[in-house]
Amino acid sequence: QQPVQSPQAVILREGEDAVINCSSSKALYSVHWYRQKHGEAPVFLMILLKGGEQKGHEKISASFNEKKQQSSLYLTASQLSYSGTYFCGTPTPTGGFKTIFGAGTRLFVKA
Amino acid sequence: NAGVTQTPKFQVLKTGQSMTLQCAQDMNHEYMSWYRQDPGMGLRLIHYSVGAGITDQGEVPNGYNVSRSTTEDFPLRLLSAAPSQTSVYFCASSYSLILNEQFFGPGTRLTVL
Repeated sequence: QQPVQSPQAVILREGEDAVINCSSSKALYSVHWYRQKHGEAPVFLMILLKGGEQKGHEKISASFNEKKQQSSLYLTASQLSYSGTYFCGTPTPTGGFKTIFGAGTRLFVKA
Repeated sequence: NAGVTQTPKFQVLKTGQSMTLQCAQDMNHEYMSWYRQDPGMGLRLIHYSVGAGITDQGEVPNGYNVSRSTTEDFPLRLLSAAPSQTSVYFCASSYSLILNEQFFGPGTRLTVL
């Protein structure tokens, strides 16, 4: 089942902050975050694991609430280069080894 | 390391034609997957593989076949192309499903007329 992302889109001015949320109706083993710029392939940002471990981007932070089956990506002091579409992916080893992605959050940072 | 490579980059087919999208990785990853992305949409899983000889269906498998004879290659076959299969196709690989990130290929942009 596809994780739900919110908001669908957000427009920021350079330097402003944003939060992107991802929630699932299934138990989460980890949450993966990717960013995709127009016409390009998705690029890895972060992995959040059960127990609090994180791997990934130095300038982007995220949280993972295992009980609520939710994750949030925090973009602080946004830069023009942050523009793109952000996807969360939720791998599950049950019912097959799949990673299902949310529909994405479009972020536009303007000067 | 070339990472994940996909060929061709662009392809135009007529309805009913068949073709194979190629995907290869040189990172010795066991897990590989195919996604399609329609305009303004997210990534939908077509098929995936957890190792050579092992494949399974994803969210939208109809009209597509896969095989995995080697660790490196994971081709996607369109059996009889339909306009609804017009999309951008991404191949991805990873060392493990839960603990490691997926590396995506550059994509194949397919148009079916």
